[in-house]
Amino acid sequence: SAVISQKPSRDICQRGTSLTIQCQVDSQVTMMFWYRQQPGQSLTLIATANQGSEATYESGFVIDKFPISRPNLTFSTLTVSNMSPEDSSIYLCSVGGGGGGYTFGSGTRLTVV
Amino acid sequence: QKEVEQDPGPLSVPEGAIVSLNCTYSNSAFQYFMWYRQYSRKGPELLMYTYSSGNKEDGRFTAQVDKSSKYISLFIRDSQPSDSATYLCAISNRDDKIIFGKGTRLHILP
Repeated sequence: SAVISQKPSRDICQRGTSLTIQCQVDSQVTMMFWYRQQPGQSLTLIATANQGSEATYESGFVIDKFPISRPNLTFSTLTVSNMSPEDSSIYLCSVGGGGGGYTFGSGTRLTVV
Repeated sequence: QKEVEQDPGPLSVPEGAIVSLNCTYSNSAFQYFMWYRQYSRKGPELLMYTYSSGNKEDGRFTAQVDKSSKYISLFIRDSQPSDSATYLCAISNRDDKIIFGKGTRLHILP
């Protein structure tokens, strides 16, 4: 299965600022997924990032708040913009599917103060 | 009704016991069923992946799917303290979107 490197692993940010999270995969993949895991909650899909096209956002998530880049088949970034304390969460990237389950990065633990 | 229901626990069992973790789901269209293990400060790790009803075994782990009841289970035999983690069930009806349960926190007591 693919190996995913995600960084930063954690950060503490001031409200109103933005944070960009990077996800690097050791093999080429068509789709990459970004999830949010709020305390005590299940993982929620934010968006699906395909190389060469705009990301597809799930209900409740918008591009202005969570812009995503996908410059090639092994890399993606998620930016959390104009942060508020409600954005404090764990953010995870993921690859996989195709009948074989999904692999996750180790996550970025974000605290907004 | 939520698409996936999972008791959050915590569930504490003595070392060596058999652990039973369960989820129910609402939509019979779901075809793929997964169990993930998540240690503290780590991303989820795929444990079991199954497509059909019935049992799938991998070492000390057995995944069970009952599509008629919309019920999935994970059994851990001879539980070890290293099994202490949060276990998330997940379901999918296509390969580009999966829905997770909230996860069950499991503590194996030495």
